[in-house]
Amino acid sequence: AQSVTQLGSHVSVSEGALVLLRCNYSSSVPPYLFWYVQYPNQGLQLLLKYTSAATLVKGINGFEAEFKKSETSFHLTKPSAHMSDAAEYFCAVRMYSGGGADGLTFGKGTHLIIQP
Amino acid sequence: GAGVSQTPSNKVTEKGKYVELRCDPISGHTALYWYRQSLGQGPEFLIYFQGTGAADDSGLPNDRFFAVRPEGSVSTLKIQRTERGDSAVYLCASSPITGELFFGEGSRLTVL
Repeated sequence: AQSVTQLGSHVSVSEGALVLLRCNYSSSVPPYLFWYVQYPNQGLQLLLKYTSAATLVKGINGFEAEFKKSETSFHLTKPSAHMSDAAEYFCAVRMYSGGGADGLTFGKGTHLIIQP
Repeated sequence: GAGVSQTPSNKVTEKGKYVELRCDPISGHTALYWYRQSLGQGPEFLIYFQGTGAADDSGLPNDRFFAVRPEGSVSTLKIQRTERGDSAVYLCASSPITGELFFGEGSRLTVL
């Protein structure tokens, strides 16, 4: 079975500071990993995904994440936070049912707060 | 439109009533997913369709929940005898063969 753990339900950083959102995964097969962002009253939007190619993945809005197999981690970073980054962030791992790769299992989310 | 469309965006109902939530996926996407998101939680998997058939319905919480996709496109999530604990945002997503999920904005269900 696949699962993800997001450390910290809330993270607060100052505008211009480094953003680091932590995600650890558990998977019995080589994982496909994702980060999604959710702005208030909106659906989930894909930030980036890891699918066994380059371990450092670049996404939209200046975010990137590094897959570290030895640490079973896929932490999300951004060098300089912007006020518009304030949102809920979800890490997810691909599920595998009997028919093959299908849906996603999500973490509980991390609420990113940007202080002016 | 180009994205996943969900209707209604908001639904308020009374305990015990029947509710239907509709999802119109992106044209050409063969896979369709339903998730439920409670306040302060991540999306919880409910059911997954590949074409017209439910490939995995292991996330449906009980037999009051049912979903159909009769023509392999639009899907309806049906909830019978609603309970207050069913209140949540119900998210639909579709994906092409590449597997990336595209989400709709959700249907917020409130059971009074």
